[in-house]
Amino acid sequence: DADVTQTPRNRITKTGKRIMLECSQTKGHDRMYWYRQDPGLGLRLIYYSFDVKDINKGEISDGYSVSRQAQAKFSLSLESAIPNQTALYFCATSQGGTSGDTQYFGPGTRLTVL
Amino acid sequence: GQNIDQPTEMTATEGAIVQINCTYQTSGFNGLFWYQQHAGEAPTFLSYNVLDGLEEKGRFSSFLSRSKGYSYLLLKELQMKDSASYLCAGTSGTGGFKTIFGAGTRLFVKA
Repeated sequence: DADVTQTPRNRITKTGKRIMLECSQTKGHDRMYWYRQDPGLGLRLIYYSFDVKDINKGEISDGYSVSRQAQAKFSLSLESAIPNQTALYFCATSQGGTSGDTQYFGPGTRLTVL
Repeated sequence: GQNIDQPTEMTATEGAIVQINCTYQTSGFNGLFWYQQHAGEAPTFLSYNVLDGLEEKGRFSSFLSRSKGYSYLLLKELQMKDSASYLCAGTSGTGGFKTIFGAGTRLFVKA
């Protein structure tokens, strides 16, 4: 079984709809992240959480919100989806520590906003 | 400021060697990651350099020069399955908590 899972894997929605993307992990990591990936722009950080009580904005948090329901679960919401939020969304986890902080990514959610 | 630069695309021949360069400007630099990402899939970890020099791991090697803000990923004995995007990512802060990703280099391996 995959260590980091995302649901749904694909979603098509309409402008103005509320959307929730979910991420679960069995790696036991405290740190979780949400990124979006657009062609030519690479991965951009939306929100990150270092533990259940810690939520931080990334570089592109406007239009998004998150919830860390448990150590293993981190969900991303688009309160009112707009077309320029069409992208590939990745959840990631990491252990933390002083010897680098390798991130482990979920399989991604492809979101299309019409 | 934080900035990661790497070429957009490269093409190489099966069996050859290719070097993918990355330059970075990251305040409070900690270390540098390389990830591989096949089209439509998740990025996966390749290497992490925190000290200057070359680290070899099978067909893949990664080099870091902290004074020059420069890294490269070297792929030897290229195989068709190496066709993918290669993401350079700089980390900063305690425990490398802030990671900035480059846009990635798409590598095409041709027969």
